[in-house]
Amino acid sequence: EAQVTQNPRYLITVTGKKLTVTCSQNMNHEYMSWYRQDPGLGLRQIYYSMNVEVTDKGDVPEGYKVSRKEKRNFPLILESPSPNQTSLYFCASSFRTYNEQFFGPGTRLTVL
Amino acid sequence: EDKVVQSPLSLVVHEGDTVTLNCSYEVTNFRSLLWYKQEKKAPTFLFMLTSSGIEKKSGRLSSILDKKELFSILNITATQTGDSAVYLCAVGLETSGSRLTFGEGTQLTVNP
Repeated sequence: EAQVTQNPRYLITVTGKKLTVTCSQNMNHEYMSWYRQDPGLGLRQIYYSMNVEVTDKGDVPEGYKVSRKEKRNFPLILESPSPNQTSLYFCASSFRTYNEQFFGPGTRLTVL
Repeated sequence: EDKVVQSPLSLVVHEGDTVTLNCSYEVTNFRSLLWYKQEKKAPTFLFMLTSSGIEKKSGRLSSILDKKELFSILNITATQTGDSAVYLCAVGLETSGSRLTFGEGTQLTVNP
């Protein structure tokens, strides 16, 4: 089944404890992206990747890192999480940049 | 600053009603406009529009883009309770990379 998977789906952590949210797609998509969704602010793009080893900042990249070493994986790294990074995070992928994006199921992160 | 504005933010209707959701945008380097439906999970793709004046249609849903007036509408006819969701509008930008800017969304509630 064609899908985007994210892990973990739920995470509660403490300020400053490094964490990684994994994202994987099995559709051989070139384009992958991370978003966060907050009430009243909608979906905001954090980082995106056009292909392996090609990443760029979205609208709200501060406090996040990404890597794209393989086509299928695009992990989101929070080196030192803070409470303002408490949010619902979505990974998405598409064959080409402006094609339909497939979204993962979301990761609900709480930073205490 | 790129901006996507959706209206209304919230809408409550009865089954069978027809609704029109609005999305206006102010962006540099417009490339495409996308509509997504989000129930209590990940957004799912509805339409992508790139050309002005051409209607995209899928069942009871249809959408059209006006690139001169910088807006799009999403119409839903004969609404059903299953149409209850948040409808998201996003604009893809023709930049050196690839960015999607989302609106805040319209919460549609269809009552039986």
